[in-house]
Amino acid sequence: DAGVIQSPRHEVTEMGQEVTLRCKPISGHNSLFWYRQTMMRGLELLIYFNNNVPIDDSGMPEDRFSAKMPNASFSTLKIQPSEPRDSAVYFCASSSRTGWVEAFFGQGTRLTVV
Amino acid sequence: SQQGEEDPQALSIQEGENATMNCSYKTSINNLQWYRQNSGRGLVHLILIRSNEREKHSGRLRVTLDTSKKSSSLLITASRAADTASYFCATSEADRGSTLGRLYFGRGTQLTVWP
Repeated sequence: DAGVIQSPRHEVTEMGQEVTLRCKPISGHNSLFWYRQTMMRGLELLIYFNNNVPIDDSGMPEDRFSAKMPNASFSTLKIQPSEPRDSAVYFCASSSRTGWVEAFFGQGTRLTVV
Repeated sequence: SQQGEEDPQALSIQEGENATMNCSYKTSINNLQWYRQNSGRGLVHLILIRSNEREKHSGRLRVTLDTSKKSSSLLITASRAADTASYFCATSEADRGSTLGRLYFGRGTQLTVWP
């Protein structure tokens, strides 16, 4: 398996623009997580899905952030409109049994909002 | 917050020495996991220890868990320059309804191993 695949790897955008981050989890995994990593706040869980259903989105910082998982093999995290403080590395992770086994992380998307 | 906290924040050692990192957490867990992150890369799972286990080994890694003190330690023996990375502990809460399944990460320990 190729692991968790995220795209793009790097994104530079202007403030106010819409940004869409994409994730393909490992086939057969039923849990998917979106994390954000910054120097100031460390690794924050934004949202996680179980069987394509959002279970906990309490970490989503604002209404500007939204996430979808239309099927078991694809998820998106959208920021609209983007702001400079959204600059961070965004990770997607998946696991086969939520909380009981390890999570597998993608390589991340480094987002810079100027 | 359930978030684990690693200690120390940074650790610098020579090759061949052992590296010990600690993690403390706040509430009941069903397991604790350690992850490694190389600069600019994603996190990689190293080892998982369940709440009913006290010690676990994997190669040069040794993890202990003390649920009474709500703490864990990761020992890397005979360290190598390639072990240079950030190490994170993550906890999975026990039976917390909608938060079940969340992995709470600490801020990490930056380990530097000098050749």
